[in-house]
Amino acid sequence: VQLVESGGGLIQPGGSLRLSCAASGFSVSTFYMSWVRQAPGKGLEWVSVIYSGGTTKYADSVKGRFTISRDNSKNTLYLQMNSLRAEDTAVYYCARAVATIIGPDYWGQGTLVTVSS
Amino acid sequence: DVVMTQSPLSLPVTLGQPASISCRSSQSLVYGDGNTYLNWFHQRPGQSPRRLIYKVSSRDSGVPDRFSGSGSGTDFTLKISRVEAEDVGIYYCMQGIHWPLTFGGGTKVEIK
Repeated sequence: VQLVESGGGLIQPGGSLRLSCAASGFSVSTFYMSWVRQAPGKGLEWVSVIYSGGTTKYADSVKGRFTISRDNSKNTLYLQMNSLRAEDTAVYYCARAVATIIGPDYWGQGTLVTVSS
Repeated sequence: DVVMTQSPLSLPVTLGQPASISCRSSQSLVYGDGNTYLNWFHQRPGQSPRRLIYKVSSRDSGVPDRFSGSGSGTDFTLKISRVEAEDVGIYYCMQGIHWPLTFGGGTKVEIK
């Protein structure tokens, strides 16, 4: 099992960015796939999850601005981030879970998003 | 939101000595199936988090048996029977029953 995030970088406030998470060793369509972020020097914050059935959920802090999706043919998870704010600056981790109640069993290495002018 | 409160914030320990971390949730973590779900993660400096324990006391594959989890309802504990150098880092508890899913603020374990 491997998860490899990409797409992070420096972006101005109000800008957009799309993160990708390429999965191998399993199918993203059969697990609960999440994005979890960690601001510099801070703790972990759940951002969004897509269920195996396609249901999506978001933290209030990103609802209406971020969209989680997956491409089963590419076995890749995405996070489209719009209207970015300084407080969105964080390392974004892609994570897999058999079920959300037991938390993720595999995490990617993370990709850093910096929102700054 | 369910608030997960960990204590202590920082835990200096001597190698070979035990360590204990507390996690308290603002709501019960008993799921509809009657089981209680509380998970623990460890994050070493510069690394991604790793799950250690799920469903209160079930250890993940490869996790040494010096790690144990216990608790019920809203009060939970992670214990390390004999701390080793590789155990340094930040430990987080996490609940996955109530949305939004939430983590505790973390407990930093360091060697004295």
